[in-house]
Amino acid sequence: SYELTQELSVSVSPGQTASFTCSGDKLGDKYVSWYQQKPGQSPVLVIYQDVKRPSGIPERFSGSNSGNTATLTISGTQGMDEADYYCQAWDSTTGYVFGSGTKVTVL
Amino acid sequence: EVQLLESGGGLAQPGGSLRLSCAASGFTFSRYAMSWVRQAPGKGLEWVSGIGRNGGSTYYADSVKGRFTISRDNSNNMLFLQMDSLRGEDTALYYCTKDQVLEPSEGEFDMWGQGTMVTVSS
Repeated sequence: SYELTQELSVSVSPGQTASFTCSGDKLGDKYVSWYQQKPGQSPVLVIYQDVKRPSGIPERFSGSNSGNTATLTISGTQGMDEADYYCQAWDSTTGYVFGSGTKVTVL
Repeated sequence: EVQLLESGGGLAQPGGSLRLSCAASGFTFSRYAMSWVRQAPGKGLEWVSGIGRNGGSTYYADSVKGRFTISRDNSNNMLFLQMDSLRGEDTALYYCTKDQVLEPSEGEFDMWGQGTMVTVSS
């Protein structure tokens, strides 16, 4: 089955840039989406089709995907960005796959 | 306002059954694929099952294949998940999600409900 691997946690200072990755075999050949989940809340789509931002998502969120690695970058990180972030892709054999999640802490 | 409202969760015994429902509103339900995604307490997200816009194509995670059945009623904007032969590892918050594509494929979930909790325990 297809698997996606994410860093367990990332720490960032307010105003700085946070980047974290999602790795999978030939992931660059697939579309990757990213979801933000705050404690006690439902996930929210922040990036889809590798680089697109849904309406209402701040420009400080950006994505990229190439080779075996997709990256979510938060520029000028704010305290409200503290959350768990999950990557997701589709595999024709496994179906939809989520990464294990990265906990972003804004110190 | 786009809304997904899940119901039907609760306590079930191992080997038992539950049927989850999701009422959709605020968008043309019949145009989009839908999925169920679950999250065990303190754990990450796990896709469970997806269904195409017409209900003709269904997809399941290996962990639930043969035990869960997804279906939809486009006339009433409803999504369902019949869960049989429940196990302790099925304990989770189950989210109803809207896909941005017609069929489960290279898509993403742009809307999520608040979830309904399923607990499997004797």
